[in-house]
Amino acid sequence: DIHMTQSPSSLSASVGDRVTITCRASQGISNFLAWYQQKPGKVPELLIYAASTLQSGVPSRFSGGGSGADFTLSISSLQPEDVATYYCQQYDSAPWTFGQGTKVEIK
Amino acid sequence: QLQLQESGPRLVKPSVTLSLTCTVSGGSISSGTHYWGWIRQRPGKGLEWIGSIFYGGGTYYNPSLESRITMSVDTSRNLFSLKLTSVTAADTAVYYCARHEGSKGWPFYFDYWGQGTLVTVSS
Repeated sequence: DIHMTQSPSSLSASVGDRVTITCRASQGISNFLAWYQQKPGKVPELLIYAASTLQSGVPSRFSGGGSGADFTLSISSLQPEDVATYYCQQYDSAPWTFGQGTKVEIK
Repeated sequence: QLQLQESGPRLVKPSVTLSLTCTVSGGSISSGTHYWGWIRQRPGKGLEWIGSIFYGGGTYYNPSLESRITMSVDTSRNLFSLKLTSVTAADTAVYYCARHEGSKGWPFYFDYWGQGTLVTVSS
C-alpha cells in the first residue's frame, strides 16, 4: 500500500495568511493526487485533482503543486470559511489511500 | 446535479452483516466510466476507502477488509450496495458513498459524495 503522510497535523493561522500543507507519498505517484476539504460536521469535498487542477467552483485562493512523492496544498489568503480538515488521496495504485488529515484553524 | 444517498441501519449488533445501499439520482449509474465507491470515517478519525464497483460488475476492495466485503450494483434501480460481514465495534463509523471518477477503467478521485450515514456497532 502507498502510505500518505501529511504535515503538519494541525495549524493555526490568521485571516489573510498564506497557508501551506504538505503531503508525502511513500513512493512516487506521478501527479495522481487529489485534495479534499472537510468542514466540521460536513461531507468531504473534492478541491483539487491531478495534483494541481482545481475542481469546478473551488476558489482560486486554493492551489496545488508537486509531483512524484511530494505535494503541497496552499491557501493564498486564509478565510474564516476555510476552517476545515484537509486530506490528500493518491490514485496511482490500489488500495486508494488518504493522508491522516491536516486541521486548519483561525488564530 | 448528481446526488447520492446512503440508506441502511443506524445500529447493528456485533457479528452480524451490515448492509448499506446508495441510491444515485440525477444521473445513470451505468453511464460513463465511473466507478462507485464506499469510504468510511471512524469517529474523530480520517478517511478510509472500503471498495469500489463498476456498473458492469468489476470491483476493487481494500485488502484490509476484502474478506468481509461484498459490493453489488442494481442498474434497474440505479443503486449500489455494500455488505460487511462479522462487524465489530471497530466498524463503527460514518459510511459515505461516492462517485469514483476515473478514466480507461481506472478509478481516480471521489467527486460526488453522499451525506454519510453513522453506523454504530453495539449490543
